[in-house]
Amino acid sequence: LAKTTQPISMDSYEGQEVNITCSHNNIATNDYITWYQQFPSQGPRFIIQGYKTKVTNEVASLFIPADRKSSTLSLPRVSLSDTAVYYCLVGDMVNQAGTALIFGKGTTLSVSS
Amino acid sequence: NAGVTQTPKFQVLKTGQSMTLQCAQDMNHEYMSWYRQDPGMGLRLIHYSVGAGITDQGEVPNGYNVSRSTTEDFPLRLLSAAPSQTSVYFCASSYSLAGGSFSAYEQYFGPGTRLTVT
Repeated sequence: LAKTTQPISMDSYEGQEVNITCSHNNIATNDYITWYQQFPSQGPRFIIQGYKTKVTNEVASLFIPADRKSSTLSLPRVSLSDTAVYYCLVGDMVNQAGTALIFGKGTTLSVSS
Repeated sequence: NAGVTQTPKFQVLKTGQSMTLQCAQDMNHEYMSWYRQDPGMGLRLIHYSVGAGITDQGEVPNGYNVSRSTTEDFPLRLLSAAPSQTSVYFCASSYSLAGGSFSAYEQYFGPGTRLTVT
């Protein structure tokens, strides 16, 4: 399983764009990149997933360069309610042997007013 | 749909006691898993199951047993509770196309069980 590295914490202010970068140097051909968000005292929830280039949904954008060795989660105009832990995961999309989804420590994002 | 439900929400055990954490899902998901979350440690995978009758170990399986007799339920048993098992436990479920990877699809998490072992 490809290991991911992301910053332990980040601080931001309301209205700013936040970019969280995740490093996954050993990503394999069949691996997809997935981001989850976790609020205090809740289970994680899926935010976005991608394989290459750019993916955008109503919550965030995910930028993946051509070599796929890193990815950046972009949160536009954050608010206080975006304060949470963000996890970057890499998982095999094809083989059931790649099923086990391994979370790291994530990035704690703190948004202030 | 209730999604993924976990019971109890809170539990206090004495060292050496055993108990079962319950997890159920009503989405007909084949894949279910258990994580524990300790302060500052992120989530660590305990056990997972890719279907009824099939289970496998995750990162930290020692001290825990699981079984999967139905698609809906995936209980986690603590055989002899230890203070090191004090944690928040999350259950998750997911689906996949036949034979494909479950990590490809959105994992739905339950609300968690906060366990304290004294």
